[in-house]
Amino acid sequence: KAGVTQTPRYLIKTRGQQVTLSCSPISGHRSVSWYQQTPGQGLQFLFEYFSETQRNKGNFPGRFSGRQFSNSRSEMNVSTLELGDSALYLCASSRERSNEQFFGPGTRLTVL
Amino acid sequence: AQSVTQLDSQVPVFEEAPVELRCNYSSSVSVYLFWYVQYPNQGLQLLLKYLSGSTLVKGINGFEAEFNKSQTSFHLRKPSVHISDTAEYFCAVTAYNQGGKLIFGQGTELSVKP
Repeated sequence: KAGVTQTPRYLIKTRGQQVTLSCSPISGHRSVSWYQQTPGQGLQFLFEYFSETQRNKGNFPGRFSGRQFSNSRSEMNVSTLELGDSALYLCASSRERSNEQFFGPGTRLTVL
Repeated sequence: AQSVTQLDSQVPVFEEAPVELRCNYSSSVSVYLFWYVQYPNQGLQLLLKYLSGSTLVKGINGFEAEFNKSQTSFHLRKPSVHISDTAEYFCAVTAYNQGGKLIFGQGTELSVKP
């Protein structure tokens, strides 16, 4: 069974641009969560999607948004990039009503 | 709201020695508890989880953890570490009704020396 895949693995953007990251969950998993990992703030929850609906949201500004498609694939978008958005963005998927999350390898975003 | 404190940011240890990575949590509701490991340039891998039942849980790679409700702790242990255990370890919690929202500790960097 294929694991969680994230594309692209690496991205370099400049301040003010926007970026879209993609996550494909494990087959049969309907919940997708996103996390931001930085050296200073550690791992922080961004949001969770289940059946195309945002079920949970972390404490991030509105520049961070996401969506989920009918095949459970998810995207997150960051608009008007800031230097502080440089981070590893991790996606995790889980089965319905399961608390065990499986993580992808992450997308490393660098904002110059 | 939940919070997690990992009491040691770095733990150096010699190969074949025992190790304990400490984790305390705070929550006003019942929680599930997890330990994840992250190797360089990789995502997170689940080591073990406590959902209910026996307070001593065994995970992969010889790790185990004990849930102590009165002390709100979930410390991770391994009786004999290997060089390959060098990695960053994260303790995490989620409330019963917040399955997709993990709250992580700041991580403990385990460094195993020969």
